Amino acid sequence: GEDVEQSLFLSVREGDSSVINCTYTDSSSTYLYWYKQEPGAGLQLLTYIFSNMDMKQDQRLTVLLNKKDKHLSLRIADTQTGDSAIYFCAEVTDKLIFGTGTRLQVFP
Amino acid sequence: GAGVSQTPSNKVTEKGKYVELRCDPISGHTALYWYRQSLGQGPEFLIYFQGTGAADDSGLPNDRFFAVRPEGSVSTLKIQRTERGDSAVYLCASSPRRSGGSTDTQYFGPGTRLTVL
Repeated sequence: GEDVEQSLFLSVREGDSSVINCTYTDSSSTYLYWYKQEPGAGLQLLTYIFSNMDMKQDQRLTVLLNKKDKHLSLRIADTQTGDSAIYFCAEVTDKLIFGTGTRLQVFP
Repeated sequence: GAGVSQTPSNKVTEKGKYVELRCDPISGHTALYWYRQSLGQGPEFLIYFQGTGAADDSGLPNDRFFAVRPEGSVSTLKIQRTERGDSAVYLCASSPRRSGGSTDTQYFGPGTRLTVL
């Protein structure tokens, strides 16, 4: 079956790195995505990784994929207060399957 | 250009009533998706349109839920005999074509918050 899991909360100090983890179950996923959701706003696509890649870096964001363990992570370098939001990972086979979301809180 | 818009932003209704939620996708996007997001959960897929036709409605929870997209642009999600468990944020997304590739990014609207009393 399809199931994507994330830890619920993460709290970090401004300037530190944040690492948000995700596990998924469908090995046929072609792409894996990270979305950001801020209060009252729609989901914003942050980045994605193709399933045959191990790592992707995009400015402050680094995505790591361990396909053997079906584990995906998002690292945010130099975390800012504006990064406070809920982060969702999602896998796609024939449709997007979202995780439960990780609420990132950044404190000064 | 404008993003995906959804109306109303909030809808409060009574149990048993009928509601319609509207989605205006990005102009030119052929694919349109509806999701439901319950409190503390990630969005759950409901239905996908390619053009005017519902290509995948496997996420609709029961026959009280129905969606249309008669002219291949605006879509309406219809819920009959609403129940308290239908309370959620209903999200709409559109993409240039069928998702499955990195360039088929789904662009999400702000959602409609439905509350059934």
